Amino acid sequence: EVQLVESGGGLVQPGRSLKLSCAASGFTFSNYGMAWVRQTPTKGLEWVASISTGGGNTYYRDSVKGRFTISRDNAKNTQYLQMDSLRSEDTATYYCARHGYSSSHYFDYWGQGVMVTVSS
Amino acid sequence: DIQMTQSPASLSASLGETVTIECRASEDIYNGLAWYQQKPGKSPQLLIYNANSLHTGVPSRFSGSGSGTQYSLKINSLQSEDVASYFCQQYYDYPWTFGGGTKLELK
Repeated sequence: EVQLVESGGGLVQPGRSLKLSCAASGFTFSNYGMAWVRQTPTKGLEWVASISTGGGNTYYRDSVKGRFTISRDNAKNTQYLQMDSLRSEDTATYYCARHGYSSSHYFDYWGQGVMVTVSS
Repeated sequence: DIQMTQSPASLSASLGETVTIECRASEDIYNGLAWYQQKPGKSPQLLIYNANSLHTGVPSRFSGSGSGTQYSLKINSLQSEDVASYFCQQYYDYPWTFGGGTKLELK
């Protein structure tokens, strides 16, 4: 059974940093592209970042480029999202998601989500 | 960015009814479209990919169709467990974008 378990969320002040982790199990982690998707009641679902199977290629939405860094450790079956210079508009539930087979760009499995609140 | 517009925003239907949700893209997305179901307090779950391919384990009462800029999700014989929000997503071009969602309730 595919499982994705996020951790690392919480309350953080604007301008500070937070690092999310996503532990994967139930599949060969190194064979799949991975992603982070966030959701708010006002903006809905937003794709945030993606990373290729080996980690050599990364992709970001414009609003987080230069502030967020996606990475992965295939030996630990874990992906990460380092979030720096956080803004109030980054407040959201963040989901770890697996890209479809052969790095298709839909998301075939999602974690339970972790809340990130950016506020002073 | 490609804009995804879903309609209706909310929908009320009876058990056993057939329901259709529409998704319109601001440009041709060449069937690079997925549908997700999200139940309250849960994460989204993939239903359909490539516009009309059913994801593993998804009941056959769900189906997707469309092409170009117009796509739809159909639910045949509505069940109580289908009460949820439904989202479309285009993955033809970066940044991948989602529709605003359709909230489906029982009448």
